[in-house]
Amino acid sequence: GEDVEQSLFLSVREGDSSVINCTYTDSSSTYLYWYKQEPGAGLQLLTYIFSNMDMKQDQRLTVLLNKKDKHLSLRIADTQTGDSAIYFCAESFGGSQGNLIFGKGTKLSVKP
Amino acid sequence: ETGVTQSPTHLIKTRGQQVTLRCSSQSGHNTVSWYQQALGQGPQFIFQYYREEENGRGNFPPRFSGLQFPNYSSELNVNALELDDSALYLCASSLAGGRQETQYFGPGTRLLVL
Repeated sequence: GEDVEQSLFLSVREGDSSVINCTYTDSSSTYLYWYKQEPGAGLQLLTYIFSNMDMKQDQRLTVLLNKKDKHLSLRIADTQTGDSAIYFCAESFGGSQGNLIFGKGTKLSVKP
Repeated sequence: ETGVTQSPTHLIKTRGQQVTLRCSSQSGHNTVSWYQQALGQGPQFIFQYYREEENGRGNFPPRFSGLQFPNYSSELNVNALELDDSALYLCASSLAGGRQETQYFGPGTRLLVL
């Protein structure tokens, strides 16, 4: 069945780069997404990548996609304490935009 | 541009009761999806509504039902509440038929079933 896997925790120092990794199973996924969730809040869309791209950069965020290995990563440059949150990777299951499959989330802790 | 809103923000119910959660989609969006997020987990897809009809459903029993209205707002109804229904319920809106149908999420309704 479909599954999205992420490591559960990541701790970095302020100013360092953070890299959050994700693996997915559905090769027909058209888009892959990164969402951010702060405590007690909903999900904030950070960025997405189309499945025929290898990389997408958006300010401090860089997304890398290895479609052969079904591996997605999110790099946050110059990580700040305000980046502390849970980050979710999601794939659009079966190529449909309706059903997003989420990982369990990676909790990023940024130490001053 | 108005974002996705949900009401209420918090709700406490007892086992066996029924609950209705509401969602107003982002302006210009015609599709609403509902997700359940249990504590410490990622969101799980419940169902999606497009043009007032259910357009896809996840692995949830029939006691989870929904509606979409002509203004694209939506309701999620849960009957015969169980303790395991305690979760954050997230609504997301999107524009179907576009090149890329990104889902934008509301703040969620936190439901506690006692």
